[in-house]
Amino acid sequence: NAGVTQTPKFQVLKTGQSMTLQCAQDMNHNSMYWYRQDPGMGLRLIYYSASEGTTDKGEVPNGYNVSRLNKREFSLRLESAAPSQTSVYFCASSEDRTRETQYFGPGTRLLVL
Amino acid sequence: QKEVEQNSGPLSVPEGAIASLNCTYSDRGSQSFFWYRQYSGKSPELIMSIYSNGDKEDGRFTAQLNKASQYVSLLIRDSQPSDSATYLCAATGRDNYGQNFVFGPGTRLSVLP
Repeated sequence: NAGVTQTPKFQVLKTGQSMTLQCAQDMNHNSMYWYRQDPGMGLRLIYYSASEGTTDKGEVPNGYNVSRLNKREFSLRLESAAPSQTSVYFCASSEDRTRETQYFGPGTRLLVL
Repeated sequence: QKEVEQNSGPLSVPEGAIASLNCTYSDRGSQSFFWYRQYSGKSPELIMSIYSNGDKEDGRFTAQLNKASQYVSLLIRDSQPSDSATYLCAATGRDNYGQNFVFGPGTRLSVLP
Protein backbone atom coordinates (compact mmCIF):
# COMPACT_ATOMS: atom_id res chain seq x y z
CA ASN A 1 0.00 0.00 0.00
CA ALA A 2 1.33 3.41 -0.97
CA GLY A 3 -1.09 5.15 1.39
CA VAL A 4 -1.63 8.74 0.28
CA THR A 5 0.39 9.99 -2.69
CA GLN A 6 0.72 13.52 -4.02
CA THR A 7 2.15 15.02 -7.19
CA PRO A 8 4.13 17.06 -7.84
CA LYS A 9 6.55 17.20 -4.89
CA PHE A 10 7.70 20.71 -5.75
CA GLN A 11 6.46 23.40 -8.12
CA VAL A 12 7.40 26.97 -8.98
CA LEU A 13 4.71 29.16 -10.55
CA LYS A 14 4.55 32.73 -11.72
CA THR A 15 1.74 34.94 -10.46
CA GLY A 16 -1.39 34.32 -12.50
CA GLN A 17 -0.47 30.83 -13.66
CA SER A 18 -2.74 27.90 -12.94
CA MET A 19 -1.98 24.40 -11.78
CA THR A 20 -3.58 21.30 -10.30
CA LEU A 21 -2.23 19.36 -7.35
CA GLN A 22 -3.05 15.68 -7.50
CA CYS A 23 -3.79 13.38 -4.59
CA ALA A 24 -4.66 9.69 -4.50
CA GLN A 25 -5.19 7.17 -1.72
CA ASP A 26 -5.32 3.39 -1.89
CA MET A 27 -6.82 2.75 1.56
CA ASN A 28 -10.44 2.76 0.35
CA HIS A 29 -11.10 5.81 2.51
CA ASN A 30 -14.29 7.76 2.04
CA SER A 31 -13.09 11.18 3.23
CA MET A 32 -10.28 13.28 1.82
CA TYR A 33 -8.86 16.67 2.75
CA TRP A 34 -6.57 19.40 1.48
CA TYR A 35 -4.52 21.46 3.94
CA ARG A 36 -1.93 24.17 3.62
CA GLN A 37 0.84 24.63 6.15
CA ASP A 38 2.60 27.93 6.70
CA PRO A 39 5.28 28.74 9.30
CA GLY A 40 3.72 29.48 12.69
CA MET A 41 0.20 28.85 11.38
CA GLY A 42 -0.20 25.13 11.69
CA LEU A 43 -2.30 23.17 9.23
CA ARG A 44 -5.32 24.96 7.81
CA LEU A 45 -8.10 23.13 6.01
CA ILE A 46 -8.77 24.36 2.48
CA TYR A 47 -11.44 21.93 1.26
CA TYR A 48 -12.62 18.50 2.16
CA SER A 49 -14.68 15.74 0.62
CA ALA A 50 -16.68 13.73 3.12
CA SER A 51 -17.52 11.13 0.49
CA GLU A 52 -17.30 10.55 -3.23
CA GLY A 53 -19.36 13.16 -5.04
CA THR A 54 -19.32 15.77 -2.27
CA THR A 55 -16.97 18.64 -1.52
CA ASP A 56 -17.14 21.39 1.10
CA LYS A 57 -15.18 24.49 2.01
CA GLY A 58 -12.82 24.52 4.93
CA GLU A 59 -11.20 27.43 6.74
CA VAL A 60 -9.31 28.99 3.81
CA PRO A 61 -11.00 28.10 0.48
CA ASN A 62 -10.55 31.38 -1.40
CA GLY A 63 -8.46 31.03 -4.53
CA TYR A 64 -8.84 27.26 -4.73
CA ASN A 65 -11.17 24.73 -6.31
CA VAL A 66 -11.35 20.99 -5.81
CA SER A 67 -12.60 17.94 -7.63
CA ARG A 68 -13.33 14.55 -6.12
CA LEU A 69 -12.71 12.61 -9.29
CA ASN A 70 -13.57 9.22 -7.80
CA LYS A 71 -13.17 7.53 -4.44
CA ARG A 72 -9.39 7.41 -4.77
CA GLU A 73 -8.57 10.84 -6.15
CA PHE A 74 -9.03 14.39 -4.87
CA SER A 75 -7.41 17.26 -6.77
CA LEU A 76 -6.79 20.87 -5.78
CA ARG A 77 -6.69 23.58 -8.44
CA LEU A 78 -5.23 27.05 -8.30
CA GLU A 79 -6.83 29.00 -11.14
CA SER A 80 -4.68 32.13 -10.85
CA ALA A 81 -1.79 31.66 -8.45
CA ALA A 82 -0.82 34.46 -6.07
CA PRO A 83 2.33 34.84 -3.92
CA SER A 84 0.11 34.41 -0.83
CA GLN A 85 -0.47 30.83 -1.98
CA THR A 86 3.19 29.96 -1.48
CA SER A 87 2.96 27.13 1.03
CA VAL A 88 3.28 23.43 1.62
CA TYR A 89 0.12 21.58 0.65
CA PHE A 90 -0.87 18.31 2.28
CA CYS A 91 -3.57 15.92 1.22
CA ALA A 92 -5.02 13.60 3.84
CA SER A 93 -7.64 10.88 4.02
CA SER A 94 -9.68 9.14 6.69
CA GLU A 95 -11.96 6.15 6.70
CA ASP A 96 -14.92 8.44 7.11
CA ARG A 97 -15.77 11.56 9.02
CA THR A 98 -16.74 9.61 12.12
CA ARG A 99 -13.38 7.81 12.25
CA GLU A 100 -11.25 10.83 12.56
CA THR A 101 -7.70 9.54 12.22
CA GLN A 102 -6.27 11.26 9.19
CA TYR A 103 -3.36 9.92 7.16
CA PHE A 104 -1.24 12.44 5.31
CA GLY A 105 0.52 12.44 1.98
CA PRO A 106 4.15 13.61 1.61
CA GLY A 107 3.20 17.14 0.65
CA THR A 108 3.71 19.52 -2.28
CA ARG A 109 5.94 22.56 -1.86
CA LEU A 110 4.59 25.42 -3.95
CA LEU A 111 6.44 28.66 -4.62
CA VAL A 112 4.59 31.45 -6.39
CA LEU A 113 6.81 34.24 -7.69
CA GLN B 1 -13.55 30.69 15.85
CA LYS B 2 -12.43 27.35 17.19
CA GLU B 3 -8.77 27.41 18.25
CA VAL B 4 -6.09 25.05 19.42
CA GLU B 5 -3.08 26.66 21.07
CA GLN B 6 0.40 25.36 21.74
CA ASN B 7 3.71 26.91 22.78
CA SER B 8 5.80 27.12 19.64
CA GLY B 9 8.99 26.26 21.51
CA PRO B 10 11.61 25.20 20.95
CA LEU B 11 11.40 22.95 23.95
CA SER B 12 14.82 21.52 24.71
CA VAL B 13 15.29 18.48 26.94
CA PRO B 14 18.33 16.28 27.56
CA GLU B 15 18.36 12.72 26.29
CA GLY B 16 16.63 10.38 28.73
CA ALA B 17 14.48 13.11 30.30
CA ILE B 18 10.71 13.47 30.17
CA ALA B 19 9.40 15.92 27.57
CA SER B 20 6.06 17.53 28.35
CA LEU B 21 4.05 19.10 25.54
CA ASN B 22 0.90 21.07 26.24
CA CYS B 23 -2.16 22.11 24.27
CA THR B 24 -5.33 24.04 25.05
CA TYR B 25 -8.49 24.21 22.96
CA SER B 26 -11.34 26.69 22.87
CA ASP B 27 -14.31 24.57 21.75
CA ARG B 28 -15.99 22.92 24.73
CA GLY B 29 -17.78 20.67 22.25
CA SER B 30 -14.52 19.07 21.08
CA GLN B 31 -14.70 15.35 21.56
CA SER B 32 -11.56 13.82 20.07
CA PHE B 33 -7.95 14.82 20.42
CA PHE B 34 -4.83 13.83 18.54
CA TRP B 35 -1.09 14.24 18.71
CA TYR B 36 0.85 14.17 15.46
CA ARG B 37 4.62 14.21 15.04
CA GLN B 38 6.15 16.04 12.08
CA TYR B 39 9.80 15.79 11.18
CA SER B 40 11.30 18.71 9.27
CA GLY B 41 10.28 18.54 5.62
CA LYS B 42 7.98 15.57 6.19
CA SER B 43 4.26 15.07 6.64
CA PRO B 44 2.48 14.68 9.99
CA GLU B 45 2.12 11.17 11.38
CA LEU B 46 -0.29 10.16 14.13
CA ILE B 47 1.20 9.29 17.52
CA MET B 48 -1.78 9.18 19.85
CA SER B 49 -5.49 9.76 19.98
CA ILE B 50 -7.48 10.32 23.17
CA TYR B 51 -11.21 10.65 23.68
CA SER B 52 -11.86 10.37 27.44
CA ASN B 53 -10.61 12.27 30.46
CA GLY B 54 -7.51 10.80 32.03
CA ASP B 55 -4.33 9.21 30.75
CA LYS B 56 -3.65 6.97 27.78
CA GLU B 57 -0.30 5.27 27.48
CA ASP B 58 1.40 3.82 24.41
CA GLY B 59 5.00 2.81 24.90
CA ARG B 60 7.03 5.87 25.85
CA PHE B 61 4.13 8.19 25.08
CA THR B 62 1.33 9.22 27.44
CA ALA B 63 -1.52 11.49 26.42
CA GLN B 64 -3.49 13.27 29.12
CA LEU B 65 -6.90 14.89 28.67
CA ASN B 66 -8.77 17.21 31.02
CA LYS B 67 -11.97 18.38 29.37
CA ALA B 68 -12.97 20.60 32.30
CA SER B 69 -9.76 22.60 31.85
CA GLN B 70 -9.81 22.16 28.05
CA TYR B 71 -6.27 20.88 28.23
CA VAL B 72 -4.41 18.08 26.47
CA SER B 73 -0.81 17.08 27.04
CA LEU B 74 1.70 14.62 25.67
CA LEU B 75 4.49 13.18 27.80
CA ILE B 76 7.45 11.51 26.18
CA ARG B 77 9.47 9.41 28.62
CA ASP B 78 13.13 8.54 28.08
CA SER B 79 13.37 11.13 25.30
CA GLN B 80 15.66 10.24 22.42
CA PRO B 81 17.31 12.49 19.82
CA SER B 82 15.04 10.79 17.26
CA ASP B 83 12.07 12.38 19.07
CA SER B 84 13.27 15.81 17.92
CA ALA B 85 10.42 17.05 15.75
CA THR B 86 7.42 19.35 15.77
CA TYR B 87 4.41 17.99 17.64
CA LEU B 88 0.97 19.04 16.45
CA CYS B 89 -2.09 18.90 18.66
CA ALA B 90 -5.49 18.58 16.97
CA ALA B 91 -9.04 18.64 18.26
CA THR B 92 -12.33 17.75 16.64
CA GLY B 93 -15.84 18.70 17.34
CA ARG B 94 -19.11 18.50 15.50
CA ASP B 95 -21.02 21.34 13.95
CA ASN B 96 -23.93 21.63 11.51
CA TYR B 97 -21.70 20.65 8.61
CA GLY B 98 -20.20 17.51 10.13
CA GLN B 99 -16.82 17.32 11.68
CA ASN B 100 -14.42 20.10 12.35
CA PHE B 101 -10.75 19.16 12.66
CA VAL B 102 -8.51 21.95 13.96
CA PHE B 103 -4.73 21.81 14.35
CA GLY B 104 -2.55 23.83 16.68
CA PRO B 105 0.58 25.57 15.35
CA GLY B 106 2.87 22.89 16.80
CA THR B 107 5.62 22.75 19.41
CA ARG B 108 9.17 22.16 18.28
CA LEU B 109 10.97 19.65 20.50
CA SER B 110 14.74 19.30 20.57
CA VAL B 111 16.26 16.36 22.46
CA LEU B 112 19.90 17.02 23.19
CA PRO B 113 22.35 14.06 23.22
